[in-house]
Amino acid sequence: AQKITQTQPGMFVQEKEAVTLDCTYDTSDQSYGLFWYKQPSSGEMIFLIYQGSYDEQNATEGRYSLNFQKARKSANLVISASQLGDSAMYFCAMSGATNKLIFGTGTLLAVQP
Amino acid sequence: DSGVTQTPKHLITATGQRVTLRCSPRSGDLSVYWYQQSLDQGLQFLIQYYNGEERAKGNILERFSAQQFPDLHSELNLSSLELGDSALYFCASSTQQSRETQYFGPGTRLLVL
Repeated sequence: AQKITQTQPGMFVQEKEAVTLDCTYDTSDQSYGLFWYKQPSSGEMIFLIYQGSYDEQNATEGRYSLNFQKARKSANLVISASQLGDSAMYFCAMSGATNKLIFGTGTLLAVQP
Repeated sequence: DSGVTQTPKHLITATGQRVTLRCSPRSGDLSVYWYQQSLDQGLQFLIQYYNGEERAKGNILERFSAQQFPDLHSELNLSSLELGDSALYFCASSTQQSRETQYFGPGTRLLVL
């Protein structure tokens, strides 16, 4: 069975600093995808970044990068130069042989001025 | 804006009632997914349709049903509603069936009184 673990219920970061949100996963699938989504207080789910299990390079999208360590089964999200608008809940998710997304419990990030 | 639309945004109803949630996928997307987000169970996959056919099923209750129409919009029907069905229901879409990024709609917030 697939599982996503996010061990940080909440985090604080100072504006303009970098922050790492942890995510570990478990799967028996050889091919899978890892995703990060952002959920602001308004409730929508915003796609941030994707990493395929066979991708050799870590994914990057603007200020977001995914630190993919396959042997450790970790897919941490790094946000550089945090902004106040980054305050939100962040979910790590994966998809494998089935198409459904399995989500972690999320990390609530608060960016302080 | 993800391009996925969901109506209504909010729904308040009573126990025992039936409601229909509607989703229009992004232009060109053939796959539609439904997810439920509740405080006690987090984000859970309910069901997936691809080009009108059911493709995958998750922890969807028998009281819930869904379909995807020829124009690719989808409806999620919830019947005999219980207090515990109160949740945020998301629709997501992707171009194909598997391991592609799913883009989420704004969600329908259901409150059962």
